Amino acid sequence: KAGVTQTPRYLIKTRGQQVTLSCSPISGHRSVSWYQQTPGQGLQFLFEYFSETQRNKGNFPGRFSGRQFSNSRSEMNVSTLELGDSALYLCASSFGQGATNEKLFFGSGTQLSVL
Amino acid sequence: AQSVTQLGSHVSVSEGALVLLRCNYSSSVPPYLFWYVQYPNQGLQLLLKYTSAATLVKGINGFEAEFKKSETSFHLTKPSAHMSDAAEYFCAVSPTGGFKTIFGAGTRLFVKA
Repeated sequence: KAGVTQTPRYLIKTRGQQVTLSCSPISGHRSVSWYQQTPGQGLQFLFEYFSETQRNKGNFPGRFSGRQFSNSRSEMNVSTLELGDSALYLCASSFGQGATNEKLFFGSGTQLSVL
Repeated sequence: AQSVTQLGSHVSVSEGALVLLRCNYSSSVPPYLFWYVQYPNQGLQLLLKYTSAATLVKGINGFEAEFKKSETSFHLTKPSAHMSDAAEYFCAVSPTGGFKTIFGAGTRLFVKA
């Protein structure tokens, strides 16, 4: 069974540009969560999608957005990039049936560098 | 709002020594608690999770954690550290009905030969 796949693995952008990151969950998983990881900050929750609907959102500005497709694949978009957006963006999937003891399966992440 | 606090951003132990990574949570009701591990250049993987069935939880690679409600703690331990345990460890809490998992800032474990 294939794991969570994130593309691209690395990305370099300049300030003001926008970027789109992609995540393909494990087959059968309908929930996709996105996290931003930076040194010293740990993982900051961005948002969670289930069946194409955003169920929860973290405390990030509106420049950060996401969506989920009918096949459960998800994308996140960051517009008007800032230097502080440089981070490892992690995607995690789960069955998402509402059982809060579900474990998350993580991808290897997309390392975004903003110059 | 529920949160987790990990005491110590870096912990260093000698190979064969006890590993103790500390995690305290804040919650008005007993939450679901997790420990995840992240090896270099990889995503996170689950070590163990607490789901109220037992206060002492055993995970993979010889790790275990004990839920102590009176201390609001969920510390991770391993009796004897191995070089391969060097990684970053994250404590996490999943609030009831919140559809999100909240992670601590992480503790990087160094194992000395």
